[in-house]
Amino acid sequence: SQTIHQWPATLVQPVGSPLSLECTVEGTSNPNLYWYRQAAGRGLQLLFYSVGIGQISSEVPQNLSASRPQDRQFILSSKKLLLSDSGFYLCAWSVRGAYEQYFGPGTRLTVT
Amino acid sequence: AQKVTQAQTEISVVEKEDVTLDCVYETRDTTYYLFWYKQPPSGELVFLIRRNSFDEQNEISGRYSWNFQKSTSSFNFTITASQVVDSAVYFCALSETVLNGLTFGKGTHLIIQP
Repeated sequence: SQTIHQWPATLVQPVGSPLSLECTVEGTSNPNLYWYRQAAGRGLQLLFYSVGIGQISSEVPQNLSASRPQDRQFILSSKKLLLSDSGFYLCAWSVRGAYEQYFGPGTRLTVT
Repeated sequence: AQKVTQAQTEISVVEKEDVTLDCVYETRDTTYYLFWYKQPPSGELVFLIRRNSFDEQNEISGRYSWNFQKSTSSFNFTITASQVVDSAVYFCALSETVLNGLTFGKGTHLIIQP
């Protein structure tokens, strides 16, 4: 069966510090991968999606970036965090050609 | 542009009552997919159902049922005989293409009181 992992589970970082969140999927090959952010009291916003290694599409302009160095690994990064980057970050995967997405446990990021 | 509206921010009912969560969507595409996800306090989103725009049949899964009406652009979710374990935030979502991810509503916080 397929499993999706995210780490760390929680993170507290000062403004201006770098960020690296990691997501890995097990039990499937060539998945589509997604990063979403859920701000407090709001819905989920798609940040990035990837259909293959090195292929990243960005949905919103921001100081975040994403990379996919391996087929089942998706990384969310920032060089300098802003207060507005606080939120709950969720990674998701889907089978190529399928619409339903399956989500990881999430990372709760607090920027202080 | 696509949009999903969940007008009910929070619903509180007593256990065993039936409850309906509303979802209204906007899209210009004739082919699209609708979803419901459950987010328990742990935070992980749990996939509940997917419907495509060509299939308006209602669906029932145990205590859960979904009513899809293209005429009113609605995809409502009903929980029958609610239980405390149903307490969670429920999200309705829409997808027009397989690549662009899901557009979510802002969610409905459902509280089931014992």
